[in-house]
Amino acid sequence: IAGITQAPTSQILAAGRRMTLRCTQDMRHNAMYWYRQDLGLGLRLIHYSNTAGTTGKGEVPDGYSVSRANTDDFPLTLASAVPSQTSVYFCASSDSLAGPDTQYFGPGTRLTVL
Amino acid sequence: GQNIDQPTEMTATEGAIVQINCTYQTSGFNGLFWYQQHAGEAPTFLSYNVLDGLEEKGRFSSFLSRSKGYSYLLLKELQMKDSASYLCAGMDSNYQLIWGAGTKLIIKP
Repeated sequence: IAGITQAPTSQILAAGRRMTLRCTQDMRHNAMYWYRQDLGLGLRLIHYSNTAGTTGKGEVPDGYSVSRANTDDFPLTLASAVPSQTSVYFCASSDSLAGPDTQYFGPGTRLTVL
Repeated sequence: GQNIDQPTEMTATEGAIVQINCTYQTSGFNGLFWYQQHAGEAPTFLSYNVLDGLEEKGRFSSFLSRSKGYSYLLLKELQMKDSASYLCAGMDSNYQLIWGAGTKLIIKP
């Protein structure tokens, strides 16, 4: 079934540890996004990539890094996790390079940093 | 600054009609999206408006007034499965989505 997969589904992490959240899409979409969703707040963009080989910073990029080596994969890395990074993380993709297009979301990763 | 405002929570009765309002302020405007999100799940696309007026899609309709920075999502013939959060998002001049915090819709029998 076409779509976006994320791994892991959930994770409990000790503060200071490094963690990579994985995201893979098989729709051949150009653009990919990482959001975090916290209670009472809207989805906030962490990083995005308009096409393979390029990335950009979103609203809340500090403490996170991404890479886009190919079209399908867009991993998000927390270099040294802190408790404020406890959140639900959603990866999304869209077809358009630069235009209004629907974003499709993965199932999310629930991350707890202790 | 950029901002999306929508009510935190609404309650409606099964079979009734409910209107969820959203006001937006974005740097440039490339359309207004509505997504549905069931608890513990991913957001799923409902509608997109870029021109003024009403877009109807089955039991769901979405309205946009660009001059007022206002949109609403209208849900008719409510079903229990419509209990979810409804997310309003405006697309800015960089084609990035600015998201509201979501409206939790509770449907009562």
